[in-house]
Amino acid sequence: NAGVTQTPKFRILKIGQSMTLQCTQDMNHNYMYWYRQDPGMGLKLIYYSVGAGITDKGEVPNGYNVSRSTTEDFPLRLELAAPSQTSVYFCASTRSLAGGSDTQYFGPGTRLTVL
Amino acid sequence: KNQVEQSPQSLIILEGKNCTLQCNYTVSPFSNLRWYKQDTGRGPVSLTIMTFSENTKSNGRYTATLDADTKQSSLHITASQLSDSASYICVVTALTGGGNKLTFGTGTQLKVEL
Repeated sequence: NAGVTQTPKFRILKIGQSMTLQCTQDMNHNYMYWYRQDPGMGLKLIYYSVGAGITDKGEVPNGYNVSRSTTEDFPLRLELAAPSQTSVYFCASTRSLAGGSDTQYFGPGTRLTVL
Repeated sequence: KNQVEQSPQSLIILEGKNCTLQCNYTVSPFSNLRWYKQDTGRGPVSLTIMTFSENTKSNGRYTATLDADTKQSSLHITASQLSDSASYICVVTALTGGGNKLTFGTGTQLKVEL
């Protein structure tokens, strides 16, 4: 299994541009998550999904959108990039709801800079 | 407000030495506590998970302890290796009406030197 994969690894955006961060998992996990990690801060939950077609907001959803058309894929969309969205973005998945006894698997991250 | 505080912020030790990282939390109602290892430029990888009734859990040279009464946890690394250089993150889960809520600590940056 490849686990959780993310693309791209790095990206530089100009203010106002849009982009989609891709996330795919091959473990048949129902639950998927997007986090952002800022320097010196703990990971913050942006959005999560409990299955195909079902998504919900996390702690810091403003400026982002998600969709979940398949079990495997959970893309994160930035519509109007702002410097405050400069961060490292991690996608994760679990077999059951995160916080239970199951391990949460993380992707390698996407480092995004907005100038 | 749920909070997870880790100490020290950073630590440098010599290869072969032991070290202990601390995690204090104010999360409630408590469900479980996890320790993750995050190598530079990579995603976090789970090391241990402990529930309320567990006070110690080992994973190779990593041993986590939990004192649910004082809301403290520690991660002890034995006979450190260069490959242990990483950030170690404590994550505490609260059981809420809307489901589980994870609170991440900011991590302890460990560097193991020759």
